[in-house]
Amino acid sequence: EAGVTQSPTHLIKTRGQQATLRCSPISGHTSVYWYQQALGLGLQFLLWYDEGEERNRGNFPPRFSGRQFPNYSSELNVNALELEDSALYLCASSRATVNDEQFFGPGTRLTVL
Amino acid sequence: QKEVEQDPGPLSVPEGAIVSLNCTYSNSAFQYFMWYRQYSRKGPELLMYTYSSGNKEDGRFTAQVDKSSKYISLFIRDSQPSDSATYLCAMTPTGGGNKLTFGTGTQLKVEL
Repeated sequence: EAGVTQSPTHLIKTRGQQATLRCSPISGHTSVYWYQQALGLGLQFLLWYDEGEERNRGNFPPRFSGRQFPNYSSELNVNALELEDSALYLCASSRATVNDEQFFGPGTRLTVL
Repeated sequence: QKEVEQDPGPLSVPEGAIVSLNCTYSNSAFQYFMWYRQYSRKGPELLMYTYSSGNKEDGRFTAQVDKSSKYISLFIRDSQPSDSATYLCAMTPTGGGNKLTFGTGTQLKVEL
């Protein structure tokens, strides 16, 4: 069974640009989560999408947004990039059940210059 | 004060040792507890998922939850060099919007 996949593996942008990160969940999973893992800050919850709707949002500014498509894949968009947005962005998926196990992908490393 | 505290290590042990990894938390609403293993430059891998207080065993791994003390542990028996990684605890409350709150991770090195 294929795991969570993410693309691209690495992304380099400059301040002020926009970044788009993509995630495909495990087959049969309808929930997708986004987390940021920045150096020294640990893993921080960003967003939860289920059945195409945003269900929960972490303490991040509105320039972090995303969407979930009918096939349950998801995009994370980060607008007006700042240097401190440099981090590993991790996507996870789970079944629709509340508090179900979350399985992570390999991540996209975003570098903002 | 962080909601979840975890000793960052690094923790260095000889091969075959029993490893004890621990997290404490302050939010009594946390009900679901997880341990993830993360190798360098990889995504976290789910090792254990528990709900109730007590012990849960899976192969060489045992997860222990003590809700009264707000303390969780992961024990690794017969540790191997391949266990060298960062271990992250995570937890979430019932009705918490599926948001996982993570510890900062403990870096473990198992030496030959």
